[in-house]
Amino acid sequence: EPEVTQTPSHQVTQMGQEVILRCVPISNHLYFYWYRQILGQKVEFLVSFYNNEISEKSEIFDDQFSVERPDGSNFTLKIRSTKLEDSAMYFCASSEATGRAFFGQGTRLTVV
Amino acid sequence: RKEVEQDPGPFNVPEGATVAFNCTYSNSASQSFFWYRQDCRKEPKLLMSVYSSGNEDGRFTAQLNRASQYISLLIRDSKLSDSATYLCVVIVSDTDKLIFGTGTRLQVFP
Repeated sequence: EPEVTQTPSHQVTQMGQEVILRCVPISNHLYFYWYRQILGQKVEFLVSFYNNEISEKSEIFDDQFSVERPDGSNFTLKIRSTKLEDSAMYFCASSEATGRAFFGQGTRLTVV
Repeated sequence: RKEVEQDPGPFNVPEGATVAFNCTYSNSASQSFFWYRQDCRKEPKLLMSVYSSGNEDGRFTAQLNRASQYISLLIRDSKLSDSATYLCVVIVSDTDKLIFGTGTRLQVFP
């Protein structure tokens, strides 16, 4: 069964450092997303990406965040200067159509 | 008011029991509805879409009441493997983002 894959599974970084979280969406999917989940809290939308551009972003997705689809397979989330409050599980997801999204196993980001 | 609201639980039920969860949403422009399941420290997984006419998938039945803005999930004949957090998810029209509720935790015991 096709799946969304994310790397790394766990990333520890110092405050102020840049991190890049990587995702390989399911190959025939058209919509790509990043969500995050702070421990014990709900899953929160960050950004959606369709047709090679951002289609929607949340208030969380400020200037410190960016996304790229550098080639036909990868989808990355960059956080330029990490803060302690960026510590969370980051999920990449993809879908053929809106709603029926398949999530990757997540990258646990710990900012120290 | 929260966009998507759920009773956090936990719901502790014996194997074989029937359990129901409700979810309310605040935006009347919501157009698509889903239940996802999340195991501890794992990713959300789509359980089922929710249609206006109601729909069933094996032991799971989902209902939508647009007038009252609530969605329900009924699980019959609970199994130990049903233990998880059930996430109510809504999409508002003209957007493609999933809006998650906080989830309802279910624990099925032997």
